[in-house]
Amino acid sequence: KNEVEQSPQNLTAQEGEFITINCSYSVGISALHWLQQHPGGGIVSLFMLSSGKKKHGRLIATINIQEKHSSLHITASHPRDSAVYICAVNVMDSNYQLIWGAGTKLIIKP
Amino acid sequence: NAGVMQNPRHLVRRRGQEARLRCSPMKGHSHVYWYRQLPEEGLKFMVYLQKENIIDESGMPKERFSAEFPKEGPSILRIQQVVRGDSAAYFCASSLRDTSYEQYFGPGTRLTVT
Repeated sequence: KNEVEQSPQNLTAQEGEFITINCSYSVGISALHWLQQHPGGGIVSLFMLSSGKKKHGRLIATINIQEKHSSLHITASHPRDSAVYICAVNVMDSNYQLIWGAGTKLIIKP
Repeated sequence: NAGVMQNPRHLVRRRGQEARLRCSPMKGHSHVYWYRQLPEEGLKFMVYLQKENIIDESGMPKERFSAEFPKEGPSILRIQQVVRGDSAAYFCASSLRDTSYEQYFGPGTRLTVT
């Protein structure tokens, strides 16, 4: 079993829909990251969370440390949101090592 | 302020050849991390380097792979005698300090071994 699990693996939705991507982890962490990878391959950091909730534009990220679970939400989704969304965690005993989820491939249809 | 640069973006090698992947960190960054992304899999940590030092290479295969980050010039990930299983995207990230909170990623190098 992977230490970081994402669901769903693939998600196709219509423009305007509310999107939720989930991330569960089984190790002790100091922080959790959500990143976006576009078809060209580049990786962009979206959020870093250690507790609670963060919002940036139409993106919202939440984390529940007790339940070892995080969600990434996209409101009013748009075709340009189509990308792979990746969850990664900082393990507790390392400043720099990230354990990565396999990613969720999101396609938003116009 | 240029971001993390990687070159080449795409590299094709025949089995048995050597592959050299280069990473120029963001200006002022002295910490470099290499990750590998196999097809349909998540990224995996390979190695963490500071200028002229390998700090953690726990994710590097024991044979054929090596990495360096010289005092001058880019960080190099070198794969000798490539095999088909080395085909992957290799990402480099850099940071100002030794914390992943501030890692900035390059566009990646896609290695294809034929």
